[in-house]
Amino acid sequence: DGGITQSPKYLFRKEGQNVTLSCEQNLNHDAMYWYRQDPGQGLRLIYYSQIVNDFQKGDIAEGYSVSREKKESFPLTVTSAQKNPTAFYLCASSIGGQGRNTEAFFGQGTRLTVV
Amino acid sequence: DAKTTQPPSMDCAEGRAANLPCNHSTISGNEYVYWYRQIHSQGPQYIIHGLKNNETNEMASLIITEDRKSSTLILPHATLRDTAVYYCIVRVGSWGKLQFGAGTQVVVTP
Repeated sequence: DGGITQSPKYLFRKEGQNVTLSCEQNLNHDAMYWYRQDPGQGLRLIYYSQIVNDFQKGDIAEGYSVSREKKESFPLTVTSAQKNPTAFYLCASSIGGQGRNTEAFFGQGTRLTVV
Repeated sequence: DAKTTQPPSMDCAEGRAANLPCNHSTISGNEYVYWYRQIHSQGPQYIIHGLKNNETNEMASLIITEDRKSSTLILPHATLRDTAVYYCIVRVGSWGKLQFGAGTQVVVTP
């Protein structure tokens, strides 16, 4: 089945360690996004990529890094510089392309807990 | 900052229509209105989107005012499974940023 997959669903890390969250899609979508959600809050955009080998900072990029070496993959690294990394992380993708207007599809999220 | 304003919460009786308002007074001519919903601890689910015409699909209807400064999402016959946070978003094309606001918590009661 086509879709967007985030792994793992739950992730625990010690404070000060970098951690990479996986996001893979087999929908042939150009655009991919990473969001962070804190309890009782809406989604905040971390990074987004409209095409391979290109990405843009969102509203809360500090302490995070991404890469887009392949169309189907958009991994997010939470670095030790991120002061409050414990959160629910969501990845999304959409077709992309100017003039095309379709919905974005979301993964089921990764819940990161830093202890 | 989010470009939309929604009420924080609303209740709806099961079987009745739920009308969810959204203000987007600074919307640009090339920005679409999108609606998503999120059930607790899951990824958001797409509902509907539109530019200036009213839209309807199997889930909902979207009514956009003529000046495009506000819109209403209509769930025609709310069920208990429609209990979720509903987000109204403005977006440039399918490659544009999706910026979420706080959304409206909808609770459907028996």
